[in-house]
Amino acid sequence: GAGVSQSPSNKVTEKGKDVELRCDPISGHTALYWYRQSLGQGLEFLIYFQGNSAPDKSGLPSDRFSAERTGGSVSTLTIQRTQQEDSAVYLCASSKTPTGELFFGEGSRLTVL
Amino acid sequence: DQQVKQNSPSLSVQEGRISILNCDYTNSMFDYFLWYKKYPAEGPTFLISISSIKDKNEDGRFTVFLNKSAKHLSLHIVPSQPGDSAVYFCAASLSGTYKYIFGTGTRLKVLA
Repeated sequence: GAGVSQSPSNKVTEKGKDVELRCDPISGHTALYWYRQSLGQGLEFLIYFQGNSAPDKSGLPSDRFSAERTGGSVSTLTIQRTQQEDSAVYLCASSKTPTGELFFGEGSRLTVL
Repeated sequence: DQQVKQNSPSLSVQEGRISILNCDYTNSMFDYFLWYKKYPAEGPTFLISISSIKDKNEDGRFTVFLNKSAKHLSLHIVPSQPGDSAVYFCAASLSGTYKYIFGTGTRLKVLA
């Protein structure tokens, strides 16, 4: 497809389990972002990748969160030992340039029981 | 500390009338602003943007106004249509940087 693809679209997990969320950006987009939206909150910046540069991880809420981007394309956001407060919609976005328009995926809804 | 604020969580407007969505920001260094629209179960989609060198930008039924002295921007939709019913997010950034700060969103409902 031509858009940003995220999987899974829905994930229900038990507290303490690890989860992986995947993002496939638009081909040719060098910038990739992860945001999350918790209930009643805005879009919270998590992490940013640009080309081969070191990622900006300043938005990751704890060391249980990590992300990688392989080959400058697909990205995986990993949450270890999930907690109930991690429940949110995790949105991935890509852009052609670092300051360009963001194209968002449909998000991965994570529910931690 | 919320740097971008949308103080109205929801707004209802009659079809054909004007919808005005408001956004305030605290960081006077922000110089690039965007509006995104989000339908349920979909990702946000870009709507319109404005640079701080302008005070107005128009695209069809959508106009964004920027008041730098008040650190306030607004999105006007006229005439409003039922298909405009969605959550609208404003976002701000420093031009030349990549980090966009989003507000909490305003849910617009356009009544037929």
